[in-house]
Amino acid sequence: GQQLNQSPQSMFIQEGEDVSMNCTSSSIFNTWLWYKQDPGEGPVLLIALYKAGELTSNGRLTAQFGITRKDSFLNISASIPSDVGIYFCAGRGGNYGGSQGNLIFGKGTKLSVKP
Amino acid sequence: DSGVTQTPKHLITATGQRVTLRCSPRSGDLSVYWYQQSLDQGLQFLIQYYNGEERAKGNILERFSAQQFPDLHSELNLSSLELGDSALYFCASSVDGTTDTQYFGPGTRLTVL
Repeated sequence: GQQLNQSPQSMFIQEGEDVSMNCTSSSIFNTWLWYKQDPGEGPVLLIALYKAGELTSNGRLTAQFGITRKDSFLNISASIPSDVGIYFCAGRGGNYGGSQGNLIFGKGTKLSVKP
Repeated sequence: DSGVTQTPKHLITATGQRVTLRCSPRSGDLSVYWYQQSLDQGLQFLIQYYNGEERAKGNILERFSAQQFPDLHSELNLSSLELGDSALYFCASSVDGTTDTQYFGPGTRLTVL
């Protein structure tokens, strides 16, 4: 089945630093999503990408849909303490409702920010 | 607050037992999704309902079943529980069945002893 490899597994950075994380897949995806999960909460959608090469920003967050459609990147600029949490990538291969149309999640990148 | 509610927040039970997890979607959302989150497997899609009908199925075990009721709330039933079923179970909802904007509930933490 389809799998997502997300890296790094964890990051411990200084406040103000920029952060980069990525996801790669063994197969092509039509949609890439990035979520953030705070402790004790469910994931919250940050950015959605629908086209190869697409670059989308949400405040200090920027994500890109890789040209090969097999990868995506998330960058956080000038990190602040509230950026702490687990960031998940998710991808969708086929059409909605089809056997390949479900969201597949990476295992997450745990971000810790030191003030 | 996403507007999605899940009950109970925590559930502790024994192997072999059966439990029911409940989810109320955001007001106006017709589609409900169930996910299982465990440390080793990450977030796994289980099943989706849209307006009362099953829409898509993921890695859901035969011991698990779900339904969506006319008032659009959903229940996930887990039976013959095993230790490996211990996990966080999330419900998410979306306006329809074809959007990626899914709003997640706070989850139910299930512990099987």
